[in-house]
Amino acid sequence: DAKTTQPTSMDCAEGRAANLPCNHSTISGNEYVYWYRQIHSQGPQYIIHGLKNNETNEMASLIITEDRKSSTLILPHATLRDTAVYYCIVRVGGQGGKLIFGQGTELSVKP
Amino acid sequence: EAQVTQNPRYLITVTGKKLTVTCSQNMNHEYMSWYRQDPGLGLRQIYYSMNVEVTDKGDVPEGYKVSRKEKRNFPLILESPSPNQTSLYFCASRQWSDQPQHFGDGTRLSIL
Repeated sequence: DAKTTQPTSMDCAEGRAANLPCNHSTISGNEYVYWYRQIHSQGPQYIIHGLKNNETNEMASLIITEDRKSSTLILPHATLRDTAVYYCIVRVGGQGGKLIFGQGTELSVKP
Repeated sequence: EAQVTQNPRYLITVTGKKLTVTCSQNMNHEYMSWYRQDPGLGLRQIYYSMNVEVTDKGDVPEGYKVSRKEKRNFPLILESPSPNQTSLYFCASRQWSDQPQHFGDGTRLSIL
């Protein structure tokens, strides 16, 4: 699985968009990009995933560059409850379902 | 409601006393996994199962056993727990290969 690089921490003002970047320069053509978050010590929560095209759901948007070497997770109107560690993961389907979690980005949403 | 349920949520026990952490999912998922989370080490996979009676080792299987006799259940067994197994444990499940995983709320184990 491709390695990902994320900033260690970020701050965002409440109500503003939070843009979380992820580099995955060694991604291969059949690897998906997944985003999860973990609030305190709760179970990781799935946010969104994509292969090539940009994706949007009720939680967030995922923007993947044309060369697929990086992506950005966008939380359009961050709230205090979005304070969490956000993990960007790339993975090929199969492989027993293993997700390799890196250190992630600790997002702090401030009033 | 679709969910992965782990029990117990918290357990303090002593070295050598066998314990089982149960995991159950109500989404008819084929894949189930166990992870442990430790400070500075992130989440690491212990065991996984691709279907009933099909299990395999993850990255840190030593000291653990699993079984998958029914599709919905995937218990984690510590036959002789030791203090280095003190950790936060998560069970997860998912449908097909590229689908996202759903995680339980976690089980915090302390082995004294």
